[in-house]
This record gives sequence, C-alpha cells and structure tokens, in this order.
Amino acid sequence: GDSVTQTEGQVALSEEDFLTIHCNYSASGYPTLFWYVQYPGEGPQLLFRASRDKEKGSSRGFEATYDKGTTSFHLRKASVQESDSAVYYCALRPSSFSKLVFGQGTSLSVVP
Amino acid sequence: EAAVTQSPRSKVAVTGGKVTLSCHQTNNHDYMYWYRQDTGHGLRLIHYSYVADSTEKGDIPDGYKASRPSQENFSLILELASLSQTAVYFCASSEPLGGNTGQLYFGEGSKLTVL
Repeated sequence: GDSVTQTEGQVALSEEDFLTIHCNYSASGYPTLFWYVQYPGEGPQLLFRASRDKEKGSSRGFEATYDKGTTSFHLRKASVQESDSAVYYCALRPSSFSKLVFGQGTSLSVVP
Repeated sequence: EAAVTQSPRSKVAVTGGKVTLSCHQTNNHDYMYWYRQDTGHGLRLIHYSYVADSTEKGDIPDGYKASRPSQENFSLILELASLSQTAVYFCASSEPLGGNTGQLYFGEGSKLTVL
C-alpha cells in the first residue's frame, strides 16, 4: 500500500543552521505530496504541497522539490529560527484520491 | 477563516469508562476525520465520514466508534476506554480529496489520559 517514511524522528539545531528533513514515499502514479507543520498546542496545518514531478513547493522559507525518480520530497530551510520549532509531517494523497497518508513526523527543536 | 473546534480539549478517564470526543466544523466541508497522534507513529486515521449519518473505518478503528449526526458534527466514542487509548486525538475536515487542494483543516486536539 501507499506509505510515507520520514527518517528523522527528532532534529536538534541552533539558530541559523541549515535544515533537512528527509521524506520518501511509496505510491503508484503521481500522488500529491504535502508538508504539514504542527506548532506546540496546535493542530497540524498545511505548509505547502506539490503535485507534479520537479515541482517545488515553498512557504515561510521552507521548500521541497517533488522527485519522482527518487520518490522523495525532502524539506529544507537555509537558516532556521527558534520559532520554527515544531513537528513536521510529510504526507501524500494517492492518485486514487483516497485518504491522506502521513509519515511518522519529525520533531524539530531550534535553540538560540 | 475555516474553523474546526474540538471538545473537550483535555480529559482524564478511568479504564472501562465511556468517553466521547466531539468535533464541530464551520468549513461547510463534507469530509471529516478522526486521527490519533502518538510519538513515533505520527497521525493515524481512526474513522472518517464523507456524508452525514454515515461513517467509514480508517486504519485503526478497533476500540472506537464514530457518529456523524450532521454535516457540521462528528464524534469519536470510546465505549470501554483502555490504557492504550491514552493519546492526543485530532479532528479534521476537508473538501473531497479529489478536489484541487486535498488539504485537511485540523482542530487543536483533545488530550485523553486513561488511568
């Protein structure tokens, strides 16, 4: 079945560090890929999405590029801030438009 | 602004007791969902509904029931709460997933502790 794998469970960085959170997926066809962010005490909210190969999604300085060849959608940010501390979820919507599939989540902690 | 509200936001229940978590949305969305969040497991789908008076099983439905009495309201029911059901529960709503966005709108979560 369709699945999403995030390899980092927790990431700890200092402000201005470069961030990469890895996301790999398994799905047939061309799923839509998402990154959601969950700030403390809140529900997850959409960060951005991408629906075609090589499409780049971006928001709030974060970006990810849909790569069908490597089945990846890695999240990157050049310079993180303390306010970026949150849980990040990679997700996919299958081509069949059935329910969303979420990865395990990555907890990001940024210290000043 | 789209809104999904959950109640209660926090609850302590006893093992074997009945728990009802409620969700109300003002997004005019047909689809509603209940997810469970656990560290290391991410968000797992318990039940969902795409029309009032009808619910569907998600990936982990055992031990849970759901009720959708209207488009706006969706409840999650634990008839016999167990320790393993201690978790944070999220309700969400969306347009049909075949639509343009496929975006889910989440509530703020309900923290359930079963003792």
